[in-house]
Amino acid sequence: DAKTTQPPSMDCAEGRAANLPCNHSTISGNEYVYWYRQIHSQGPQYIIHGLKNNETNEMASLIITEDRKSSTLILPHATLRDTAVYYCIVKASYDKVIFGPGTSLSVIP
Amino acid sequence: EPEVTQTPSHQVTQMGQEVILRCVPISNHLYFYWYRQILGQKVEFLVSFYNNEISEKSEIFDDQFSVERPDGSNFTLKIRSTKLEDSAMYFCASSESVGQPNTEAFFGQGTRLTVV
Repeated sequence: DAKTTQPPSMDCAEGRAANLPCNHSTISGNEYVYWYRQIHSQGPQYIIHGLKNNETNEMASLIITEDRKSSTLILPHATLRDTAVYYCIVKASYDKVIFGPGTSLSVIP
Repeated sequence: EPEVTQTPSHQVTQMGQEVILRCVPISNHLYFYWYRQILGQKVEFLVSFYNNEISEKSEIFDDQFSVERPDGSNFTLKIRSTKLEDSAMYFCASSESVGQPNTEAFFGQGTRLTVV
């Protein structure tokens, strides 16, 4: 059973913020929200993760709702190089990464 | 920045032949993984490895597959008798620890295996 639900595809204009939603209504108390992305033909790349507080790093921001049932990954100023498949993954810190179909983000000039 | 390296980047092999895919995980990492991605499909978990033994494996990881950490740096995936359907990108990954703050997995750039 899929633990997360993401839209299959999204478009974003270059330079604008890309907001990628993820629903994880069955998340357990010890599970984190992780985001990875895969640029075409490359290995998956870790972006960010969080438990319940919002997180920010040099790549993105992660906003987790108070009930933890959904989250949003924000790329503040999307560039063409951000075109990729983005994976929202819910897992315990000690568990392996399992990839779903993700969201295919196209950044448009 | 430390990275996971995989060799070769592309391997072509004849059906029925043995193939070994090699990976050098990040040096202080303790957990190692292999994944595969058939063209056009999602990334699939194969196996995880910790403390010199398999900690978990998927249904895909049957008797044709084996993993080994022959020395302190390499982590290998062996496919004993390749089939056409083994053609895929194979990704190695490693993570520092579990239950600790830095639990993200770092992935290599993959080996494209083509079985002919």
